[in-house]
Amino acid sequence: AQTVTQSQPEMSVQEAETVTLSCTYDTSESNYYLFWYKQPPSRQMILVIRQEAYKQQNATENRFSVNFQKAAKSFSLKISDSQLGDTAMYFCAFVYGGATNKLIFGTGTLLAVQP
Amino acid sequence: NAGVTQTPKFQVLKTGQSMTLQCAQDMNHNSMYWYRQDPGMGLRLIYYSASEGTTDKGEVPNGYNVSRLNKREFSLRLESAAPSQTSVYFCASRTIGGMGTDTQYFGPGTRLTVL
Repeated sequence: AQTVTQSQPEMSVQEAETVTLSCTYDTSESNYYLFWYKQPPSRQMILVIRQEAYKQQNATENRFSVNFQKAAKSFSLKISDSQLGDTAMYFCAFVYGGATNKLIFGTGTLLAVQP
Repeated sequence: NAGVTQTPKFQVLKTGQSMTLQCAQDMNHNSMYWYRQDPGMGLRLIYYSASEGTTDKGEVPNGYNVSRLNKREFSLRLESAAPSQTSVYFCASRTIGGMGTDTQYFGPGTRLTVL
């Protein structure tokens, strides 16, 4: 069975600093995708970044980047120059290929950016 | 382009009442999904529709039914609501074929309380 684990229920960072959120996953699949979703107080699920497992290069999206370690099944999110608007719950998610494309979510990390 | 829309945004039901949550997407996506989100947990898949005319159970289907009305719309029905169904419900959709086929896009959610 596929599982996603986020071991940090809550984190705090000062504005303009860098923070890293951890995620590990377990799968026997070889072709899959990993995502970080952000959920602000509005509850909207917003895609932050995605990574294809077959790509060795780590994905980046402006201030957001990942450290993808396939052998270790680790997928951490780094947020640089943290902003107050980054305060949100962050979910790591995994999906493997095929017609169903069912997302498996971690339990989330609540990030608070302090002024 | 509204993306994925859900109605209603909030609903309070009494135990035993029925209701239908509506979801529509205007991105011409093939697959649609219903998730529920409970405190301390990530999103869990209730039902999905890989393509128009098909529906399948997800991780937590008991107490729910779905209808894929057409390519745009995917509704979730609670026939006899129970307090255990108090949750936030999210609809999502994705395309198949071409770029970004692995990525699901979410609606704003429906907060349902069953008394």
